[in-house]
Amino acid sequence: DIQMTQSPSTLSASVGDRVTITCRASQYISTWLAWYQQKPGKAPKLLIYKASTLESGVPSRFSGSGSGTDFTLTISSLQPDDFATYHCQQYNSYSYSFGQGTKLEIK
Amino acid sequence: QVQLQESGPGLVKPSQTLSLTCTVSGDSVSSSTYYWSWVRQPAGKALEWIGRIYSRGTTNYNPSLKSRVSISLDTSENRFSLRVNSVTAADTAVYYCARVNYYFHMDVWGNGTTVIVSS
Repeated sequence: DIQMTQSPSTLSASVGDRVTITCRASQYISTWLAWYQQKPGKAPKLLIYKASTLESGVPSRFSGSGSGTDFTLTISSLQPDDFATYHCQQYNSYSYSFGQGTKLEIK
Repeated sequence: QVQLQESGPGLVKPSQTLSLTCTVSGDSVSSSTYYWSWVRQPAGKALEWIGRIYSRGTTNYNPSLKSRVSISLDTSENRFSLRVNSVTAADTAVYYCARVNYYFHMDVWGNGTTVIVSS
């Protein structure tokens, strides 16, 4: 099984800040990596797929990069609506797994 | 607009079988473009992929759950279902159904349904 490790687990930031969340896979996954945003009591929402492709309708302040085992999600200028939990998800060999999540809090 | 809606009992007794259904609108579970998947999330914990099914009925499961889980397709009702056998308190979670797109990402999610395992 491929393990996904996100860091940090919690991130405190202010509106307007640039933030980066990291996701590391325990094995090579090419670019089969997606990022989701989840707010309390809600389903996850797709932000980015194939490591760097922005889902339709997602603001351009979100971006993703990486390949192989190391990936990042960057929010260029935090907005009030961005405070949420972020999850990475990989696909490899007919199986999926998620990271443990990164909670983005208001400083 | 594609919508997914989970349904099923909110309370299941230990050792019994958990059964949930995901009804799809705005798309067809028979479509050869997508997979259909189940994901769960215990309170305050990470998302956990359970399994997926393809339009032709091909399934793949999380190895850690494979012995207790099955996913099936009902094309006449345009829905897919999840069964988890021999449940314990560790199966208590919010269960989501989701559509899996071409690049193996989950682009449409249901709202989720809470299942509690308790006597």
